Amino acid sequence: EPEVTQTPSHQVTQMGQEVILRCVPISNHLYFYWYRQILGQKVEFLVSFYNNEISEKSEIFDDQFSVERPDGSNFTLKIRSTKLEDSAMYFCASSSTVQQETQYFGPGTRLLVL
Amino acid sequence: GNSVTQMEGPVTLSEEAFLTINCTYTATGYPSLFWYVQYPGEGLQLLLKATKADDKGSNKGFEATYRKETTSFHLEKGSVQVSDSAVYFCALSDPRGSSGDKLTFGTGTRLAVRP
Repeated sequence: EPEVTQTPSHQVTQMGQEVILRCVPISNHLYFYWYRQILGQKVEFLVSFYNNEISEKSEIFDDQFSVERPDGSNFTLKIRSTKLEDSAMYFCASSSTVQQETQYFGPGTRLLVL
Repeated sequence: GNSVTQMEGPVTLSEEAFLTINCTYTATGYPSLFWYVQYPGEGLQLLLKATKADDKGSNKGFEATYRKETTSFHLEKGSVQVSDSAVYFCALSDPRGSSGDKLTFGTGTRLAVRP
């Protein structure tokens, strides 16, 4: 069964450093998402992406964040200058169409900012 | 805006007990409703879903019925197993048309099943 994959599974970085989290969505899917889950808290929407542009973003997704689909398979989340509060589990998800369609999640990248 | 409210956990049950995890929602349109499960150390997996009122989603012995009149989507299982121990998230999709359906999640309910 096709699945969403994410790399790395864990990342430790120093405050102020840039990180890039990578995702490979399911191959025929058209809509891509990033969510995050701070330890012990709810899963929060960050951004959705369709047709090579951001379709919606939350207030969390400020100028320090960016997303890109650099080729036909990868979908990346970049944090330009990490802060301590960016420490969280980051989930990528994809769906094939929009209307009430299921989003399939990757296993997540656990980011720790020191 | 949209929101999802779940019962607080943790919920601790003995094996073969009946499970109910309550979920209510607020939405402006006609959302789809989902239950996702997160096993220890893993990501989110779709457990079941319902896309319109009175639909029942079911999977692995779990069921939930989309109740528009009470804006609820309670998760039930008749006989839980130790392997059901996980965190369960209720979620809804935001019906915004053609630009993408973000998911709004509840806080999650941790279930622990004792042998």
